[in-house]
Amino acid sequence: QQPVQSPQAVILREGEDAVINCSSSKALYSVHWYRQKHGEAPVFLMILLKGGEQMRHEKISASFNEKKQQSSLYLTASQLSYSGTYFCGIPTGNQFYFGTGTSLTVIP
Amino acid sequence: NAGVTQTPKFQVLKTGQSMTLQCAQDMNHEYMSWYRQDPGMGLRLIHYSVGAGITDQGEVPNGYNVSRSTTEDFPLRLLSAAPSQTSVYFCATVPGQGKGYGYTFGSGTRLTVV
Repeated sequence: QQPVQSPQAVILREGEDAVINCSSSKALYSVHWYRQKHGEAPVFLMILLKGGEQMRHEKISASFNEKKQQSSLYLTASQLSYSGTYFCGIPTGNQFYFGTGTSLTVIP
Repeated sequence: NAGVTQTPKFQVLKTGQSMTLQCAQDMNHEYMSWYRQDPGMGLRLIHYSVGAGITDQGEVPNGYNVSRSTTEDFPLRLLSAAPSQTSVYFCATVPGQGKGYGYTFGSGTRLTVV
C-alpha cells in the first residue's frame, strides 16, 4: 500500500534542481506532498487532484500522471531551506499512506 | 488557534507499563489519525477516526487502543509497552478525508521503552 519514492536521498548545491518521484500500485485520485525537517513534524506543501492543474509552492511544483499512477515533485533553484525529507501521501478509502520518503540535502 | 496539541513531548516507559498519548485539536476537523515514525520505515498509520464515536485500525494497530468521545480529542493508549514501540508518534488531522485538504500534524511524542 505504501507509495514508493525515488531517489531515497539526494544532495544538491544551492541553485541546482531536483526531481522526486512517487509511484503507487493503486489508482490515484489525489496526491499530497509534505516536507519534514529534522526533529520536526511533517508540513503540508501541496495537493494534486485528479484532473487538476499543476500546483506550486514557492519554487516547488508538482505534477500528477494518473495513467502511470505517479507524481513528481520539482524543486527549482534549490535553497538551503529546502533541506529535509519529502514525503508523498495517498488517500486510499478512509486511510492515508505516506511514501517511503526522500532525504534532500542542499549544501552551499 | 493552537492547531494540534500533543502531550507529552517525551516519555520513557518500562516494558509492561501502560500510558496514554494525548492529541487535541481546535480546528473542528472530523478526521484524526495516529502515525508512528521509525528510521527507514517512514510514517505508518496506527489508528484513525472519521468522526466522534468512530474509530478504525490502520496498518500497525497491535498493542494500541484508541477512542474518540469528542471531536477535539483522540488519545492513543499503549496497553503494555514493549521495546518495539519505541518510536516517534504523530497525531495528524484533516477537515475530512478526500475533501482536498492537507493534514495538520502535532509536534510529536518521542517515546522510549526500556
